[in-house]
Amino acid sequence: DMKVTQMPRYLIKRMGENVLLECGQDMSHETMYWYRQDPGLGLQLIYISYDVDSNSEGDIPKGYRVSRKKREHFSLILDSAKTNQTSVYFCASRGHANSDYTFGSGTRLLVI
Amino acid sequence: QQQVRQSPQSLTVWEGETAILNCSYEDSTFNYFPWYQQFPGEGPALLISIRSVSDKKEDGRFTIFFNKREKKLSLHITDSQPGDSATYFCAASEGGGSALGRLHFGAGTQLIVIP
Repeated sequence: DMKVTQMPRYLIKRMGENVLLECGQDMSHETMYWYRQDPGLGLQLIYISYDVDSNSEGDIPKGYRVSRKKREHFSLILDSAKTNQTSVYFCASRGHANSDYTFGSGTRLLVI
Repeated sequence: QQQVRQSPQSLTVWEGETAILNCSYEDSTFNYFPWYQQFPGEGPALLISIRSVSDKKEDGRFTIFFNKREKKLSLHITDSQPGDSATYFCAASEGGGSALGRLHFGAGTQLIVIP
């Protein structure tokens, strides 16, 4: 079954702590994405990865960084989390030929 | 600048009615428009899509109407069911298929279908 898996599903962190969000896909998709979703704002693109070690900033990269060392795995890192980074984070992937985005189920992050 | 706009933000219809969700876009180079459906606690999932060479795309109870000149499109859900209650995102991009560019998402329309 083709899927994008995100871990953890729920996470509570204190302000200033480091946060690691993990995303994996079993479809050998080249391109992966990190989005955050906030009420009334829809899905905002944080980073795109076109393949291993080939990452580009999206629309709101400030405060985030990413790592992709294997094609099937894409991590989002928050160094010193801030309360305004409380959100639902979605990872998505897409393959090369004629495929749309496949989204994971999201990670709900609360920064207190 | 918001590239894709959706209205209304929230829509309530009775079971059996037709729900109409609206979307507009800014960039004339956009030529691929997918709609995603998101249930609470889940990620968005592709529902139906249309390319700018077409003015209508139908899939069961779901139909997209596309007006290239006005840069507008709408999603019609006929015979709405309580199970259709979800948030619907309109998205747009250049290219499509293997040349699909990044998707620009609207803010979403929350649809509630009352039994």
